[in-house]
Amino acid sequence: EDQVTQSPEALRLQEGESSSLNCSYTVSGLRGLFWYRQDPGKGPEFLFTLYSAGEEKEKERLKATLTKKESFLHITAPKPEDSATYLCAAWPNNDMRFGAGTRLTVKP
Amino acid sequence: GAGVSQSPSNKVTEKGKDVELRCDPISGHTALYWYRQSLGQGLEFLIYFQGNSAPDKSGLPSDRFSAERTGGSVSTLTIQRTQQEDSAVYLCASSLARHFDEQFFGPGTRLTVL
Repeated sequence: EDQVTQSPEALRLQEGESSSLNCSYTVSGLRGLFWYRQDPGKGPEFLFTLYSAGEEKEKERLKATLTKKESFLHITAPKPEDSATYLCAAWPNNDMRFGAGTRLTVKP
Repeated sequence: GAGVSQSPSNKVTEKGKDVELRCDPISGHTALYWYRQSLGQGLEFLIYFQGNSAPDKSGLPSDRFSAERTGGSVSTLTIQRTQQEDSAVYLCASSLARHFDEQFFGPGTRLTVL
């Protein structure tokens, strides 16, 4: 069965303290791996799509990477405004499988 | 520009009643998606419309759930004979592309079934 697992469930960082979020997937025929950011009470906001192992994408303090089994979202020198829940999703065929998310808190 | 809008923002209903949730996608977006997000859980994919093609309904949790999209634009998700386990935030998204890339999500409809 297609499955997406994110770790850790929650992460607390000090401002400037870099870290990584993990997304492990077991999906047959992965067509794309997505990262979204979700703020409380709002819908998810698109960050990245990765299509093949070895691919990397960057946006400001965020960098997403993909291997054949997992994806990482690296956060460099985070700021308090990076606090949110980060969701990863796999696209196997005609559906989307989301992980439960990592709730990131960045303290000033 | 206008984003994806959903109505109502909140809906409280009694068990056994029918509810309709509405989604207005971004103008020009051909693909429209419905998801459900239960407390403390990840998003659950429900259904996907691409243009005027018939959707794949296999993701709908039961035959009490149905969705339609009129004129390739506005979509309605209908839940018949609501149950307490249907309580969740229902999210709609739309995208330009023919596949699942870069979806723009609406703010969601919070459904509470008493």
